[in-house]
Amino acid sequence: GQQLNQSPQSMFIQEGEDVSMNCTSSSIFNTWLWYKQDPGEGPVLLIALYKAGELTSNGRLTAQFGITRKDSFLNISASIPSDVGIYFCAGHSSNTGKLIFGQGTTLQVKP
Amino acid sequence: DSGVTQTPKHLITATGQRVTLRCSPRSEDLSVYWYQQSLDQGLQFLIHYYNGEERAKGNILERFSAQQFPDLHSELNLSSLELGDSALYFCASSVEGVNTGELFFGEGSRLTVL
Repeated sequence: GQQLNQSPQSMFIQEGEDVSMNCTSSSIFNTWLWYKQDPGEGPVLLIALYKAGELTSNGRLTAQFGITRKDSFLNISASIPSDVGIYFCAGHSSNTGKLIFGQGTTLQVKP
Repeated sequence: DSGVTQTPKHLITATGQRVTLRCSPRSEDLSVYWYQQSLDQGLQFLIHYYNGEERAKGNILERFSAQQFPDLHSELNLSSLELGDSALYFCASSVEGVNTGELFFGEGSRLTVL
């Protein structure tokens, strides 16, 4: 079945540093999305990307939909303690109607 | 608060038992999705319902079943429970104008099988 490879698995950074994580797939997706999960809660949508090559920002977050439609990255600039959590990439296929998640990147920020 | 309500929040039961997890989607959403999250497996897609009909199936075991009722709430039934079924089970909903993967997740039901 479809699988997403998300890296890195975890990151431990200093407050103020920039962060980058990415996701690759062997399958093409129509939409790439990035979600964040805080402890004890469900994932929350951060950014959705609809077109190959699209670059979208949401505050300190920037994400891109790869030109091949098989990859995406998320950058977080000037990290703050509340950025701590698990970040998931997700790919949506309109053919199957399924939303497939990556394994997640656990981010820890040291004040 | 996403507007998606899941009950119960926590559930402890024994192997071989059966449990039912309940989900109420946001008031305007017709689609309900179920995901299983365990420590080593990430978020695994189980099943998707739209307006009462099954739309897509993921890695859902035969021991598991789900349905969406006319009032759009959904239930996930887990039977003949095994230790490995211990996980967080998330329900998510979306408006089904254009199915793009933008989901609103509940807080999850944590199932512990002893």
